Amino acid sequence: EAQVTQNPRYLITVTGKKLTVTCSQNMNHEYMSWYRQDPGLGLRQIYYSMNVEVTDKGDVPEGYKVSRKEKRNFPLILESPSPNQTSLYFCASSLSSSRGRTDTQYFGPGTRLTVL
Amino acid sequence: KNQVEQSPQSLIILEGKNCTLQCNYTVSPFSNLRWYKQDTGRGPVSLTIMTFSENTKSNGRYTATLDADTKQSSLHITASQLSDSASYICVVSFNTGFQKLVFGTGTRLLVSP
Repeated sequence: EAQVTQNPRYLITVTGKKLTVTCSQNMNHEYMSWYRQDPGLGLRQIYYSMNVEVTDKGDVPEGYKVSRKEKRNFPLILESPSPNQTSLYFCASSLSSSRGRTDTQYFGPGTRLTVL
Repeated sequence: KNQVEQSPQSLIILEGKNCTLQCNYTVSPFSNLRWYKQDTGRGPVSLTIMTFSENTKSNGRYTATLDADTKQSSLHITASQLSDSASYICVVSFNTGFQKLVFGTGTRLLVSP
């Protein structure tokens, strides 16, 4: 089954304790992205990757890191989490992000993170 | 500033009734417009994608329209079902050498029995 998976689905942690949220897709997609979703705000892009070893900042990258060593995986790293990073996080992928394409973007199930 | 605004913020309708959700955007240069359905606690799922040249697209009981001149889109849901209760998100893509997406805040729809 074609899908985007994220782990963990739920996480409660404390300020300053490094954590990683994993994201994996099995559709051989080039483009992957991380978003956060907060009440009253639309999905906001944190980081994106157009292909292996190619990553760039989205609209709200502060406090986050990513890597894309393999095509299928795109982990999100919080080196020193803070309470303002409490949010619902989504990973997404699509075949390409090239200009003019209309590829469907597939979202993972979400990771609900609470930082105390 | 590239923005996507949706209305209403929330809507309650009776099962079996129709409804229309609105999306206005100020995104430029426009590439395409997408509607997503997001069930509570789950990731968004794509309903329709429309390019500049398309003014309507259907997916079952969902029909999206696009007026690129006025920069408006609507999502019409016909004969609503309880399972239509969800948030509906309008997303506009613009080109900056590659596609970038701007998300609306969504309309929360509740279909009541």
